[in-house]
Amino acid sequence: RKEVEQDPGPFNVPEGATVAFNCTYSNSASQSFFWYRQDCRKEPKLLMSVYSSGNEDGRFTAQLNRASQYISLLIRDSKLSDSATYLCVVTLQGAQKLVFGQGTRLTINP
Amino acid sequence: DARVTQTPRDKVTEMGQEVTMRCQPILGHNTVFWYRQTMMQGLELLAYFRNRAPLDDSGMPKDRFSAEMPDATLATLKIQPSEPRDSAVYFCASQGPGELFFGEGSRLTVL
Repeated sequence: RKEVEQDPGPFNVPEGATVAFNCTYSNSASQSFFWYRQDCRKEPKLLMSVYSSGNEDGRFTAQLNRASQYISLLIRDSKLSDSATYLCVVTLQGAQKLVFGQGTRLTINP
Repeated sequence: DARVTQTPRDKVTEMGQEVTMRCQPILGHNTVFWYRQTMMQGLELLAYFRNRAPLDDSGMPKDRFSAEMPDATLATLKIQPSEPRDSAVYFCASQGPGELFFGEGSRLTVL
């Protein structure tokens, strides 16, 4: 079983829609969690950290469920510019080893 | 504007040739990662260093891959001999207190 698993998609949604992704992790000792965004032929960049209490940054909301070992990302009022691949990241080994999921590809359609 | 710098950006080589990729981490960042990205496997962690010491290279094929940090400003990933299945984008990333910053990647094609 992979350490971090995501639905690869693709997700195709109309502009303005709300879309949500989940990511599951296998190691209950995982300590930190993040969402990264990767545009086509570019490097991944940090979108947001995921805190135990959940956190929100504008139209983006991230949540952590330790009991079920998953994290989620919710995008409200989606924009064309949100089209990208969203990567779930989990840290292991005392928060030193960062493991990425395969990514979920999202396309926002006009 | 601090950033991670990788060279080469693109490399096309023939099977059996040696390939060396270089990375200059952000000054002051003490943890450096090498990842490989393919369509099939996504981002795979190959190796990472902390304060120039290798901490984990279990993701790297040992027989042909080697990773080093000869000094704090340079990390290298070497493949010898290269094979077509090594074709991928290789990312270097450095981490200070918090966020992981990626270089733009080295796109390797082995014919």
